[in-house]
Amino acid sequence: QKEVEQDPGPLSVPEGAIVSLNCTYSNSAFQYFMWYRQYSRKGPELLMYTYSSGNKEDGRFTAQVDKSSKYISLFIRDSQPSDSATYLCAMSVPGNQFYFGTGTSLTVIP
Amino acid sequence: GAVVSQHPSWVICKSGTSVKIECRSLDFQATTMFWYRQFPKQSLMLMATSNEGSKATYEQGVEKDKFLINHASLTLSTLTVTSAHPEDSSFYICSASPPGEDYEQYFGPGTRLTVT
Repeated sequence: QKEVEQDPGPLSVPEGAIVSLNCTYSNSAFQYFMWYRQYSRKGPELLMYTYSSGNKEDGRFTAQVDKSSKYISLFIRDSQPSDSATYLCAMSVPGNQFYFGTGTSLTVIP
Repeated sequence: GAVVSQHPSWVICKSGTSVKIECRSLDFQATTMFWYRQFPKQSLMLMATSNEGSKATYEQGVEKDKFLINHASLTLSTLTVTSAHPEDSSFYICSASPPGEDYEQYFGPGTRLTVT
């Protein structure tokens, strides 16, 4: 079983839609949960991180962590064509390596 | 935020030659840097953890004699792909965490290697 599971998509939505991206994991020791955005042929850039459980909001982005279900989500409100990218979830035990999901490819259609 | 650079951004080389990729943390010192490999439409695969002043720690299945890592200073790590073959063609990305921020890795822009 993989440490982190993420649906690769692709996901295609109309501009203005709410997007929900999800990952599940198996290691209950994970404490840091991150979402990265990666444009084609570029390195990933950190969007948000959450420590332990709970929600975190930053503009149009909301990250949720449910440790009891081992499930994390990223919501994008009022999606824009510029949000079209691959979104990677990542998680780690503090001080240890990151484990990445396979990434979900998102296209927002104008 | 912290900035990590990579050089070159893309390189084409012939089979059998060696290629060196540099990873630099521009505005912070990094005792640890990470090297990843990414195939098209796949996630990041950790190759090795580069430690300043000591030997790199390689992940299972990664040939340490083929992928030479040198972390000579607190701002520079290099990955040398030796005797490159077409199957080594991939996107190589490095990352680093500023001291005290192990929840965050700053990624370089990546290096696309094509071996002909």
